[in-house]
Amino acid sequence: NAGVTQTPKFQVLKTGQSMTLQCAQDMNHEYMSWYRQDPGMGLRLIHYSVGAGITDQGEVPNGYNVSRSTTEDFPLRLLSAAPSQTSVYFCASSRDRGDNQPQHFGDGTRLSIL
Amino acid sequence: AQTVTQSQPEMSVQEAETVTLSCTYDTSESDYYLFWYKQPPSRQMILVIRQEAYKQQNATENRFSVNFQKAAKSFSLKISDSQLGDAAMYFCAYRSAARDDKIIFGKGTRLHILP
Repeated sequence: NAGVTQTPKFQVLKTGQSMTLQCAQDMNHEYMSWYRQDPGMGLRLIHYSVGAGITDQGEVPNGYNVSRSTTEDFPLRLLSAAPSQTSVYFCASSRDRGDNQPQHFGDGTRLSIL
Repeated sequence: AQTVTQSQPEMSVQEAETVTLSCTYDTSESDYYLFWYKQPPSRQMILVIRQEAYKQQNATENRFSVNFQKAAKSFSLKISDSQLGDAAMYFCAYRSAARDDKIIFGKGTRLHILP
């Protein structure tokens, strides 16, 4: 049982480049989410999904796209990278119902935009 | 919209002493769940403790306990007998009991353990 797997762990991009951060979970969780973590800002929700085919915006969605074609995968796309998107990105998943089950987090992706 | 506030960006405690981390939240819902997560330098997010809003009894996990005051919308974390391994960022999180609602985190408190 791998849990939540994020790839890559590190990435450096140039301004204007695009890329996709991958996230996969093998726990059959319906709820998945992406956060960015910046110093002094905590974890800010980018996008989330309550099931395949359903996505919604979080607190800081601009500049990012997501899709949820399967229960297992929830990729995050940066369409045109900007230095302000330099951050550590976390993917998380949990059971679908609003309940007391905690989120399972991936190990994070450190992304630098030059 | 729900919000979670951690008013202490950093705290320090002497090893073996007790420390309390504060968390307040704002919600109009009556049914929800609260969590404390720990993030050590390894960057992993680790669940420390959870509390169901419908339970009056405060949750306890070994040296970790909470003081849940529903009317005051307060959810503080008490760490007893602090150990060097407790040094980390601690995040408070709120989850609605509604099926389709998002999970919200506070900005975190960095805890230093002084030997």
